[in-house]
Amino acid sequence: DQQVKQNSPSLSVQEGRISILNCDYTNSMFDYFLWYKKYPAEGPTFLISISSIKDKNEDGRFTVFLNKSAKHLSLHIVPSQPGDSAVYFCAASARYGGSQGNLIFGKGTKLSVKP
Amino acid sequence: ETGVTQTPRHLVMGMTNKKSLKCEQHLGHNAMYWYKQSAKKPLELMFVYNFKEQTENNSVPSRFSPECPNSSHLFLHLHTLQPEDSALYLCASSPRVMNTEAFFGQGTRLTVV
Repeated sequence: DQQVKQNSPSLSVQEGRISILNCDYTNSMFDYFLWYKKYPAEGPTFLISISSIKDKNEDGRFTVFLNKSAKHLSLHIVPSQPGDSAVYFCAASARYGGSQGNLIFGKGTKLSVKP
Repeated sequence: ETGVTQTPRHLVMGMTNKKSLKCEQHLGHNAMYWYKQSAKKPLELMFVYNFKEQTENNSVPSRFSPECPNSSHLFLHLHTLQPEDSALYLCASSPRVMNTEAFFGQGTRLTVV
């Protein structure tokens, strides 16, 4: 059973608009959440993270929101640019209640930003 | 320099072959990981090494054998693999275990024929 779910395999957005990528999780022990971005033929690169003690973290055009009661997080990209087209992975970790170093990943959402 | 380098980038091997994947990190990290990404599946953690010691084996079959001679190098030795083992194998490192911002290599695309 998947502990981290990204229910949208793909998302298409117009350049300049907002991209919203969603992620749901089931394990209440998760206390740290990350988003990774992956271009074809490259490994995933870390984008932004959030601790469970916060509900929002912002870094430039990227903002991650966490709703612990709903076990839901989202990544907002504003404004979206064609270079943002990639696969975005949500990941979660139970740093103090689970396996050390064990990042649990979702299946990813492929974002396409149209010029 | 990407920080985490994996070789080879692509590998085709027969089921009776023995091959090894190599990972090298130049970031001074103490934790290294092997992940597997199969088609239409999430990234799955295989092994965790902390200061050269294996701290986690995520129920990986013995035909996959990791080796960590030092904190900068990680190998994955492959022996008598099955076609279903074909996947993208990713190495990652982080400053320490539980510092969860892992840095990934580009991966080795493995095909078992």
